[in-house]
Amino acid sequence: EDKVVQSPLSLVVHEGDTVTLNCSYEVTNFRSLLWYKQEKKAPTFLFMLTSSGIEKKSGRLSSILDKKELFSILNITATQTGDSAIYLCAGTSGTSYGKLTFGQGTILTVHP
Amino acid sequence: GAGVSQSPRYKVAKRGQDVALRCDPISGHVSLFWYQQALGQGPEFLTYFQNEAQLDKSGLPSDRFFAERPEGSVSTLKIQRTQQEDSAVYLCASSAGGDTQYFGPGTRLTVL
Repeated sequence: EDKVVQSPLSLVVHEGDTVTLNCSYEVTNFRSLLWYKQEKKAPTFLFMLTSSGIEKKSGRLSSILDKKELFSILNITATQTGDSAIYLCAGTSGTSYGKLTFGQGTILTVHP
Repeated sequence: GAGVSQSPRYKVAKRGQDVALRCDPISGHVSLFWYQQALGQGPEFLTYFQNEAQLDKSGLPSDRFFAERPEGSVSTLKIQRTQQEDSAVYLCASSAGGDTQYFGPGTRLTVL
């Protein structure tokens, strides 16, 4: 059975801090890893990673994948209160029509 | 609209009632997924459609759960004889065929 584990489960920081969120996966016939941000409603797409070692970046957020060690990290620099959310990572398998297997999420709280 | 929409946004049902949850995917998206998200957990896969064909229903928790997408666009998730353990947020997502899925705001179902 495919499995995705995120750590930490929750994190409290102050504005301006840098945070690193972790995601490890065990996915049969692994194809891609995706990160989403969930603020009370719809998860919104952040990144999709398919190749090891290639960093994807969007503003203060960046992410990288290590297919040898089966993990990914999401970095957020200079955090803002608007970054407070649940961050979800999910893996896809080449044998499962692209369904997402999610981790349990990391709850990030950024205090002013 | 530009995004995935779901209705109703909130549904309260008495135990034993039947409910129907609707999803309108992004126009032109051939793939449609349903997920169930319990409180404090990541979403869990329920079922997948490619156009009108239901290609994977391995995540449906019991035969009380039924999904359809008769014309390859709008989808309905039906839950018969609801139980308290069915209380969750039901998320719908669509994709154009790649791994990136775009989520709707979800329907929060509460079974009393």
